[in-house]
Amino acid sequence: QQQVKQSPQSLIVQKGGISIINCAYENTAFDYFPWYQQFPGKGPALLIAIRPDVSEKKEGRFTISFNKSAKQFSLHIMDSQPGDSATYFCAASRYTGNQFYFGTGTSLTVIP
Amino acid sequence: KAGVTQTPRYLIKTRGQQVTLSCSPISGHRSVSWYQQTPGQGLQFLFEYFSETQRNKGNFPGRFSGRQFSNSRSEMNVSTLELGDSALYLCASSSAPMGSEKTQYFGPGTRLLVL
Repeated sequence: QQQVKQSPQSLIVQKGGISIINCAYENTAFDYFPWYQQFPGKGPALLIAIRPDVSEKKEGRFTISFNKSAKQFSLHIMDSQPGDSATYFCAASRYTGNQFYFGTGTSLTVIP
Repeated sequence: KAGVTQTPRYLIKTRGQQVTLSCSPISGHRSVSWYQQTPGQGLQFLFEYFSETQRNKGNFPGRFSGRQFSNSRSEMNVSTLELGDSALYLCASSSAPMGSEKTQYFGPGTRLLVL
């Protein structure tokens, strides 16, 4: 059973556009929601993360929007650049332990 | 600080063999988690070790095992390899297992191919 559902599976965006990736979860015990970026041949790298006590967190061109009542969160990449082309994973974890549940990933391609 | 290192980076084995993968966490990190990444299943949690104790285990058969040493380095072992075990195996380290940001830092992975 997929604990975290991620969409879309792939995304093509023009340079300068906004990329939006969505995730949904069921387990209300989750209290930490990171986004990871993975380039081919590399391990995932933490991009940005949010806790459920805030509805939005922004770091540079990357913003997480969090809707606790809907159990959804999303990643917005503003002014998307070709260098942002990568696979993005959302994840969630419970307050105990370090077990992360990952979404299935979104392959983002930014066209120059 | 040096990042998470994994050895070897690439490995080719045949069915029925066993394999041992190694992970060295970031200096000072005591939590090490292992994940299997495949195109079809994505990232799946294998297990987590903290201070040499396994704290969490994912839904994988007993052929997958691991351990952590006193210096926090970790190894995972897969016995009786099957074709379906072909995957990228990722190790992630964290400074703390609970009550904190729980930020995980991933290594580059070990690409295992089972023939």
